[in-house]
Parts: sequence; C-alpha cells; structure tokens
Amino acid sequence: EAGVTQFPSHSVIEKGQTVTLRCDPISGHDNLYWYRRVMGKEIKFLLHFVKESKQDESGMPNNRFLAERTGGTYSTLKVQPAELEDSGVYFCASSRQGFNTGELFFGEGSRLTVL
Amino acid sequence: RKEVEQDPGPFNVPEGATVAFNCTYSNSASQSFFWYRQDCRKEPKLLMSVYSSGNEDGRFTAQLNRASQYISLLIRDSKLSDSATYLCVVFSSGGYNKLIFGAGTRLAVHP
Repeated sequence: EAGVTQFPSHSVIEKGQTVTLRCDPISGHDNLYWYRRVMGKEIKFLLHFVKESKQDESGMPNNRFLAERTGGTYSTLKVQPAELEDSGVYFCASSRQGFNTGELFFGEGSRLTVL
Repeated sequence: RKEVEQDPGPFNVPEGATVAFNCTYSNSASQSFFWYRQDCRKEPKLLMSVYSSGNEDGRFTAQLNRASQYISLLIRDSKLSDSATYLCVVFSSGGYNKLIFGAGTRLAVHP
C-alpha cells in the first residue's frame, strides 16, 4: 500500500512569490491533515479535512494560506504571497479514523524555503 | 506556556543504556497520549500509545500520570537504531480536538 506522498520535497522561492504544495493521502483515508514545523519549534496543526470538507482550519496562520481538497482525494496548500516566516517543513498526514486513535500516517514533508 | 513540553536533549547514551524521556501537558481535559518517533529529515511515525495503566512494547515502556499531567517513555538496552527524535503527542478535546505535538527529545545512541 502506498504511503502519503507529498510534492515537491523541497521548494525555494522568493518573498512575494506563490507556492503550491500537494499531498496524496493513503487511499481510503477520509481524514487529511496539514501540519507545519518551523525551525526549532514543534510540529503545529494547520487544518483537518474530512473528505472534501474542512473540519477544522483553526491552525491556519492567516489568509495567505489556502487549502483545498477537491473531490476528497488529494489536497493542495497554497501560500500566496509567501513571507520569510513561512519557511519550514509542511507535513501532510492522513488517517482512516479521526484524531482520537492517535495514528496519523505522515508524508515525508515539503520543505519550503522563502528567501 | 506550551501545551506539550519536552526536554529537547540531546540525550547521548552508549549502546545498552536505559534512557527515559519525560513530557508534561497543560490541558487537563486531554484524553489520549502517544509517542511518535521521527528520524532525521523523515516523517514522524507512531511508536506507541500511552495507557493509564502503563504499557510495554518490547524494550519500550510508556507511562501516564494524569494527576501530574506527565507522560514518560523508557527505552531499555538502547540500540544504535534508536537514535531519533521522540515526540510526545496529546489528543485534546473540549474545543481543541486535535493532536498536539511536543517539540521532541533528541536521542543519540553511540557505540
């Protein structure tokens, strides 16, 4: 069974540019999550999809971040315009059930560097 | 105050040593607790759940103290392959309803 895949693995952009990160969850996993790890800090929750619906987007930093999950399959996270503080590793995770089982399957992350 | 706090380490231990990591959480309504492991530049992976009665999985033992809001992970007979960052993770409901990660404790096991 294929795991969670993320693309690109690393992106270097300049401040003010736009970047779109993609996540393909494990097939059959209705729950999809985005997390972010900024250098030296903990992995922080951004948002949670159940199928194509946003269950919780309380962790999204501001309106420069837009996440979508059309058709309830893959998801994209767009940052527009990117700022220096957006640099970090963006992790996507998926699960068959919700949070309470504790087992999220993570992708290897998309490392974003904003110059 | 952070919701989940861990000693960042690093813990440098020789092979065969026993090492223990601690974690405290601030939300008394937290319901479930987990330890994840993250290798360098890789994704976090669930290591084990933490039950109130304590639980063991081979060389790994996890314990929970709800009164003190404290979780621990004990690794016996450390192997080189145990070198990684160990993340304490808490599921909090009551308005949070999400998994909250600690910043992790780094373990380096040397020959």
